[in-house]
Amino acid sequence: AQKVTQAQTEISVVEKEDVTLDCVYETRDTTYYLFWYKQPPSGELVFLIRRNSFDEQNEISGRYSWNFQKSTSSFNFTITASLVVDSAVYFCALTERNYGQNFVFGPGTRLSVLP
Amino acid sequence: ETGVTQTPRHLVMGMTNKKSLKCEQHLGHNAMYWYKQSAKKPLELMFVYSLEERVENNSVPSRFSPECPNSSHLFLHLHTLQPEDSALYLCASSQGVKGSGELFFGEGSRLTVL
Repeated sequence: AQKVTQAQTEISVVEKEDVTLDCVYETRDTTYYLFWYKQPPSGELVFLIRRNSFDEQNEISGRYSWNFQKSTSSFNFTITASLVVDSAVYFCALTERNYGQNFVFGPGTRLSVLP
Repeated sequence: ETGVTQTPRHLVMGMTNKKSLKCEQHLGHNAMYWYKQSAKKPLELMFVYSLEERVENNSVPSRFSPECPNSSHLFLHLHTLQPEDSALYLCASSQGVKGSGELFFGEGSRLTVL
């Protein structure tokens, strides 16, 4: 069965600090896809990144970076020099190739960036 | 205009009412989804439509009835709901086979059942 765990329920940091959001997943499929989404107070989930199971290369996009490690089944997300506008709930999600469109989401981590 | 539009944004209904939530996607995607987001709970997948056919129904009570008349529109018909059905209902769409396409979400419909 597929499962996504985000152990950090809430994190508070001060602006300009770096913060890492953890995501651990479980799957029996050899082909799968991992995602991160941001949900600001407006409610809409905003897509941030997709990673497939064959591509373990880490990715950087501006202040955002992602560390995918199959050996530990983790897909962690780091925000460098955080800003108040980064305050949101962040969700990690997983789909498996053999289960098509069944996205499984983690419980989310609420990030508060204080000025 | 966002790629996925949901109406209404807020809805208050009594337990005996019948109402519908509407979702429209302007992205040309081939799959549409309903998710339920309750306080303190993970996002729950309710229904998935792929090419207008329902492909997932995650043990959702029959008081929720989806309808997908075409690839751009998705409805969630509500009747005789319970207070515990109060939640944010999110519509999403995706393109791609076998889970490879990311979901694009609407802003949600906040439902309150009195």
